[in-house]
Amino acid sequence: QQQVKQSPQSLIVQKGGISIINCAYENTAFDYFPWYQQFPGKGPALLIAIRPDVSEKKEGRFTISFNKSAKQFSLHIMDSQPGDSATYFCAAIDSNSGYALNFGKGTSLLVTP
Amino acid sequence: ETGVTQSPTHLIKTRGQQVTLRCSSQSGHNTVSWYQQALGQGPQFIFQYYREEENGRGNFPPRFSGLQFPNYSSELNVNALELDDSALYLCASQLGVSSGGEKLFFGSGTQLSVL
Repeated sequence: QQQVKQSPQSLIVQKGGISIINCAYENTAFDYFPWYQQFPGKGPALLIAIRPDVSEKKEGRFTISFNKSAKQFSLHIMDSQPGDSATYFCAAIDSNSGYALNFGKGTSLLVTP
Repeated sequence: ETGVTQSPTHLIKTRGQQVTLRCSSQSGHNTVSWYQQALGQGPQFIFQYYREEENGRGNFPPRFSGLQFPNYSSELNVNALELDDSALYLCASQLGVSSGGEKLFFGSGTQLSVL
């Protein structure tokens, strides 16, 4: 059973545009929500992460918005660049009792020039 | 680069065979996790090793087994390979188990094809 649902499956954005990827979860025990970026032939690399005590976290062009009551979180990529073209995964974990990251199915992002 | 190295990078096996994948964790990291990533899917947790003991296991059958060595490197063994075992196998390391997924570093994976 997929514990983290991610959408859309694929996304095409023009250079300079905003890319938005959404995730939803059910387990209220989850308390750490990372986003990973994966390029072809590489493993996932941590991009940015948030804990539910804040509603937003920004690092450069990447922002996580977190809605605890709706059990949803999203990744916004501002001023998207062709180099951002990759697959993005959201994930969640209950860090108090869990040891396994629960990943979404991924979003393939293509940023066109 | 994360410092987590996996070998081999690619592997082709036939159904019914056995395979061993290897992982060297980042320097100082004593916890290693293995994930299976099928094509077009997110990684799925297989198991985690901490100080040479299995610390947790996902929903994978017993023919998936592992080892961790005193230098914290790790192996993933899969017996009686099935076609559905074809996937990218990812190793990830971290320092300790209490970090709960924080500072988890993935290797580039081993692409296993089962024919």
